[in-house]
Amino acid sequence: DQQVKQNSPSLSVQEGRISILNCDYTNSMFDYFLWYKKYPAEGPTFLISISSIKDKNEDGRFTVFLNKSAKHLSLHIVPSQPGDSAVYFCAASALLGAQKLVFGQGTRLTINP
Amino acid sequence: EAQVTQNPRYLITVTGKKLTVTCSQNMNHEYMSWYRQDPGLGLRQIYYSMNVEVTDKGDVPEGYKVSRKEKRNFPLILESPSPNQTSLYFCASSLYGRAETQYFGPGTRLLVL
Repeated sequence: DQQVKQNSPSLSVQEGRISILNCDYTNSMFDYFLWYKKYPAEGPTFLISISSIKDKNEDGRFTVFLNKSAKHLSLHIVPSQPGDSAVYFCAASALLGAQKLVFGQGTRLTINP
Repeated sequence: EAQVTQNPRYLITVTGKKLTVTCSQNMNHEYMSWYRQDPGLGLRQIYYSMNVEVTDKGDVPEGYKVSRKEKRNFPLILESPSPNQTSLYFCASSLYGRAETQYFGPGTRLLVL
């Protein structure tokens, strides 16, 4: 039973445009959400997070939006750059920590020049 | 340089032959965790440890053992590997279990024949 779902296995975007990656969750106890970025042959790295008390968090070109009523979050990358090509994982926690982090399946983002 | 190291990076073995994947971190983090990544399933937590001699099961602990005798090391033991344990394994550590501080190792790709 997948509690965190990323329904798009892949996404292709033109350089300079906006990339939007989506994530849905089913467990209403989740109160902290994160996005990780993963390059081939490397471990995931933390990108951005959001607490359930907020609906938006911004860090440079990256913005995460949280819609609690829809149990949906999205990651916006503007403008997209070739170095953004990677696999992006959405993750959620009910403990504001890493003790029980639940990950989505991942979305492979490709930025085309 | 802050890092999580895993050894070996690649391993091919046969069913039933006990193996250990080592994990070491140099950041004095209390919290460490093991994940496996499988296509279509994302990362799933196997075991985690909140400090020396304190470990607990994650979502998919069957067939695995861990130990935490020293703060920096968190080995993953497969007593009798089976083909369904063929996967990409990641070790991670974080400060006080804060998910946004979680560093991942580079991964260990395991093939069980």
